[in-house]
Amino acid sequence: GQQLNQSPQSMFIQEGEDVSMNCTSSSIFNTWLWYKQEPGEGPVLLIALYKAGELTSNGRLTAQFGITRKDSFLNISASIPSDVGIYFCAAPQGGSEKLVFGKGTKLTVNP
Amino acid sequence: DSGVTQTPKHLITATGQRVTLRCSPRSGDLSVYWYQQSLDQGLQFLIQYYNGEERAKGNILERFSAQQFPDLHSELNLSSLELGDSALYFCASSVVAGGRTEAFFGQGTRLTVV
Repeated sequence: GQQLNQSPQSMFIQEGEDVSMNCTSSSIFNTWLWYKQEPGEGPVLLIALYKAGELTSNGRLTAQFGITRKDSFLNISASIPSDVGIYFCAAPQGGSEKLVFGKGTKLTVNP
Repeated sequence: DSGVTQTPKHLITATGQRVTLRCSPRSGDLSVYWYQQSLDQGLQFLIQYYNGEERAKGNILERFSAQQFPDLHSELNLSSLELGDSALYFCASSVVAGGRTEAFFGQGTRLTVV
């Protein structure tokens, strides 16, 4: 099946630093979604991307839909302690509505 | 608050038993998805219902079944439970319209099989 490869697996940063993470696949997707999951909670949708090349922001978060449609990027600027969590990329599999998820990037922010 | 409600939040049961997890989707969402999250497997799609009908199936075990009722709430039934079924089970819902497939997740049910 289609797989999403997220990197890095984990990041340890200082408060105030910018963060970049990405998600790649050998398959083409028409939608990219980015979620954040905190311990004991369900994934929360951060940003949805529907067009190749699209750049969308949500506060300090910015995500881009790669031109090749095989990748997506998420940037967090000026990180704060509450940014801690696991960030997942997701995309609808094979033209259906079911989402396939990457394995996540675990972010730790040191105050 | 995503608007998706799952109950119970925690469940501890013995091997061989059967449990039912419940999900109420966001108001207006016709599609309900079930996902399993374990430490080593990440978020795995189990099954999707749309307006009461099964729409897509993932790697769902034969011991597991689901349904969506006329009021659109959904239940996931897990039977003959094994230790390996211990995981977080999430329900998500989406409106599925205009090519948009944004899914909103509930807080999950943590199932522990002992």
